[in-house]
Amino acid sequence: GAGVSQTPSNKVTEKGKYVELRCDPISGHTALYWYRQSLGQGPEFLIYFQGTGAADDSGLPNDRFFAVRPEGSVSTLKIQRTERGDSAVYLCASSETREDTQYFGPGTRLTVL
Amino acid sequence: AQKVTQAQTEISVVEKEDVTLDCVYETRDTTYYLFWYKQPPSGELVFLIRRNSFDEQNEISGRYSWNFQKSTSSFNFTITASQVVDSAVYFCALSVTGNQFYFGTGTSLTVIP
Repeated sequence: GAGVSQTPSNKVTEKGKYVELRCDPISGHTALYWYRQSLGQGPEFLIYFQGTGAADDSGLPNDRFFAVRPEGSVSTLKIQRTERGDSAVYLCASSETREDTQYFGPGTRLTVL
Repeated sequence: AQKVTQAQTEISVVEKEDVTLDCVYETRDTTYYLFWYKQPPSGELVFLIRRNSFDEQNEISGRYSWNFQKSTSSFNFTITASQVVDSAVYFCALSVTGNQFYFGTGTSLTVIP
């Protein structure tokens, strides 16, 4: 079946702009995760959804970052007033339940100029 | 606190050599899961294996094998008879609650033909 998909694959924006990154999880997966991966580093956790609700948002770096999953499927990561330090690959993962293996999407490479 | 250490930043081997990638983890939880993911140049994280803390049996899958030792908090990954297609960054990850993964910094493996 289809894997996790993310759009866009690349996003270039200017400092101070607003961006939205989309994640479409594997069908039927109730758990959805967002991670951020900087060059040469492992992915770092941002937020976890169980269904429609954010069960753990402890990884969001500040209040410029926000994510939603209104219908328990597609999720959108929103970044306000982008800064150059936000440049990274943003990864989305989903799993059937919280305890299961996470399957990752191809990521969105965000570049803030 | 949870932590995963992959001390080997980069490894180069000649094709057909065996190579072991080290992973050491830290957690005070008695129930946890360990994972290995492969990240080829295309960037997508590919799931390789999941192991729970109660199952210390080593596992072999084709040319891949994993050695889990709770006594040394290690979960090492060996590739036998390496191939050029094995060239990638390999990440070890730890999950204790299912909420998030804690990733190591990755080991970049280059297999030279």
